[in-house]
Amino acid sequence: AQSVAQPEDQVNVAEGNPLTVKCTYSVSGNPYLFWYVQYPNRGLQFLLKYITGDNLVKGSYGFEAEFNKSQTSFHLKKPSALVSDSALYFCAVRDREANTGFQKLVFGTGTRLLVSP
Amino acid sequence: DAGVIQSPRHEVTEMGQEVTLRCKPISGHNSLFWYRQTMMRGLELLIYFNNNVPIDDSGMPEDRFSAKMPNASFSTLKIQPSEPRDSAVYFCASRPPRGGDGNQPQHFGDGTRLSIL
Repeated sequence: AQSVAQPEDQVNVAEGNPLTVKCTYSVSGNPYLFWYVQYPNRGLQFLLKYITGDNLVKGSYGFEAEFNKSQTSFHLKKPSALVSDSALYFCAVRDREANTGFQKLVFGTGTRLLVSP
Repeated sequence: DAGVIQSPRHEVTEMGQEVTLRCKPISGHNSLFWYRQTMMRGLELLIYFNNNVPIDDSGMPEDRFSAKMPNASFSTLKIQPSEPRDSAVYFCASRPPRGGDGNQPQHFGDGTRLSIL
């Protein structure tokens, strides 16, 4: 079964510093990976995805993610954190049923990012 | 563009009562997902539909939960009878038909916060 792991429950970073939120994956076949962000009292919002091609994927709000096949990782990054980036971040992997082709996402447990002024 | 619309945003009811949560997906989207989010269990997929047909309901916790999608623009999640352990935030998400790279992101509503007393 496809799965992702987010090893950190919380990440703390000072505003202006670079941030990294970690995600590792376990899949059979090619990985299709996603990052979502959840602000308080809101639903999840799509940030970016990796399907194929360049290992560095750029997304919304200045975020990017680096796909590393040898380390089975897909870490989310931003060069300079903002206080407004404080939120809950979810990594997800596509799970596709071989017989029907139907697709769903398997989400990680989430990482809370706190950016201090 | 209107996003995924969920109602009510908040629901407080007593144990044993029937609860109905509603979702209007984005027009043109053909997949719909119901999730439950709690602190203890994180984000759980309950059921998903493709072209109004339930595809996978293995995440539905028990027979007290049921979901329907009578047409492409409306879905309900019903709990009868409700129990305090059903208290959670319930999210609906929709996804457009496969296109481009075949991996369209899901679009989430802002959820229904359910409290069962």
